[in-house]
Amino acid sequence: SQQGEEDPQALSIQEGENATMNCSYKTSINNLQWYRQNSGRGLVHLILIRSNEREKHSGRLRVTLDTSKKSSSLLITASRAADTASYFCATAPGKSTFGDGTTLTVKP
Amino acid sequence: KAGVTQTPRYLIKTRGQQVTLSCSPISGHRSVSWYQQTPGQGLQFLFEYFSETQRNKGNFPGRFSGRQFSNSRSEMNVSTLELGDSALYLCASSLGETNTGELFFGEGSRLTVL
Repeated sequence: SQQGEEDPQALSIQEGENATMNCSYKTSINNLQWYRQNSGRGLVHLILIRSNEREKHSGRLRVTLDTSKKSSSLLITASRAADTASYFCATAPGKSTFGDGTTLTVKP
Repeated sequence: KAGVTQTPRYLIKTRGQQVTLSCSPISGHRSVSWYQQTPGQGLQFLFEYFSETQRNKGNFPGRFSGRQFSNSRSEMNVSTLELGDSALYLCASSLGETNTGELFFGEGSRLTVL
């Protein structure tokens, strides 16, 4: 069974708005990673947050991790049309376990 | 530094045939993982290799197999193809074995089974 589960399944916003997606997992982790996938392409690593970190920033990305709730969120600020993609979380250990992803559509 | 290279990028096969997909990891990476992605099942783990040894295996039938060579390049094979094997097959490499770092993905091999 899959460890990371993203929600919502789909999200549609206007350019300039913020997008928030969530990830829940079941077992203890060393770290949690977020990836982006443009349609039909390979996944691209966005950010990694370790289990002893609560928040991490990278450019317009902000990731939080709540190990007590076994959940993480990815916030993309000031979204652009180019952010249109599917976003996946994955946990480690268990790099095998990806969720089904959140499909983000950013309308220009 | 070259990224992960997967070949072929696209291929069409018929039911009952077999297929071999190749993955060349980033230079210095010793771990290679394979994933199947379909619209209905999402991204599913096939197997992981490290230093020519299979470390983990997903829940796929024995028709799916793989191997890793001494130069870390990996191949996966699917025998007796079924229509449901149509998918994007993704390969990812990482530096270490223990799932602590990021995965670097190739662009995938899109298999269509007719």
